[in-house]
Order: sequence, then structure tokens, then C-alpha cells
Amino acid sequence: EDQVTQSPEALRLQEGESSSLNCSYTVSGLRGLFWYRQDPGKGPEFLFTLYSAGEEKEKERLKATLTKKESFLHITAPKPEDSATYLCAVQAGGGADGLTFGKGTHLIIQP
Amino acid sequence: DGGITQSPKYLFRKEGQNVTLSCEQNLNHDAMYWYRQDPGQGLRLIYYSQIVNDFQKGDIAEGYSVSREKKESFPLTVTSAQKNPTAFYLCASRRTGEGETQYFGPGTRLLVL
Repeated sequence: EDQVTQSPEALRLQEGESSSLNCSYTVSGLRGLFWYRQDPGKGPEFLFTLYSAGEEKEKERLKATLTKKESFLHITAPKPEDSATYLCAVQAGGGADGLTFGKGTHLIIQP
Repeated sequence: DGGITQSPKYLFRKEGQNVTLSCEQNLNHDAMYWYRQDPGQGLRLIYYSQIVNDFQKGDIAEGYSVSREKKESFPLTVTSAQKNPTAFYLCASRRTGEGETQYFGPGTRLLVL
């Protein structure tokens, strides 16, 4: 069974304080790993797709990395507008064509 | 603007009533999906469709039904057999053959009266 575990469940940082969110996964044949940002009451907003170990992608203050067992979302010098829940999901090879999600990390950036 | 629309934003269901949630996309995507989100849980797959007139059950299909008569539309019906329907429902779509990324709509919150 495919599993995704995100840690920590919640994280409170001061503005400018860099940190990383973790996504550990077990999947039978990884087709892709996805990071989304979700604001309260809204649908998830796509951030990154990673396909193979060693791959990295960046967007503004965010950088996503991938190994064979986990992915990290690094947040550099965050601002209050980066406050949101960050979701990690995997797409497995074969079987049902849907994503398996973690429970998310709730990030709060204090000014 | 291209995107995914869901309606209504809020929906109230009385006991024993069937309700239908709308999902429309103008992205020319082939595949469409329905997920359910509950507090403290990850999104869970209800149904998905990779082409018109075809759909498959996801992990939690019991008490739900779907149709895919048009490429742009993938409505979800929450039937009276779904005993715990209160949740945030999210529709997503993906263009097959161009990576696996799914894009999500704004969601519908279903509440039981």
C-alpha cells in the first residue's frame, strides 16, 4: 500500500527564518511526487512535480528536492504570505490513476 | 482564462437526499478526478475518469456516483447511501501524455442539515 507521511504536522517560524518540510513515502514504482500549497477553504495550488531521485526545482523562496525515500520542501527567508498548509502527494506506477496524499504541514510565518 | 470551476461553493444536504456537485474544466484535459478532504486527513480519491464515457472507482467510492458524458464535465452525486457526507470535495484534472500533474478546482463544502 502506498503511503505518504509529512512532518512536522505544524511549524511556526519567524519571518526570515529558513526551514524545511519533510515528506517520506513508500510507493511501488514512483511516477511522480507533487507539492501543493493550500490556503484555508481553497483548492490546492500546484507548486512542483519531481520525477526522479536527485531532481531539484525552485520557485521564488521554495525549493523541492527528491531522494529515493523522501522529499524536502525548503523555505528560504519566508514571509507571512507563505503561511499555508503544504501538501505532498505521490503517483504510483500501475494500478489506480490517482494521487496518494499526506496529511500536510501547517506552516505559520510570524511577522 | 483556463481553469477548473466547481459549484456550488457550499451545499446543504438533508437526510435521505441525493445531491450533485458540478465540476467543469476548459483546459482540454482528458483525465478528471474527485477527492474528498476531511479535517486532519489527506485527500482521498473517490472516482476518476481518463476518457469520456469511462470512469473507475477510487479508494472510497461507496455512496457516490459519477458520469462523464462530456470531456469538460465530471459531476459527482453524493447519494443517501453515503452516511458521512460532510467534507470538502475537490475536483482535479490532468492532460494525459504530458506528465502526471493534477490541477485542482476551488472545492465544494458539503454540510448535512
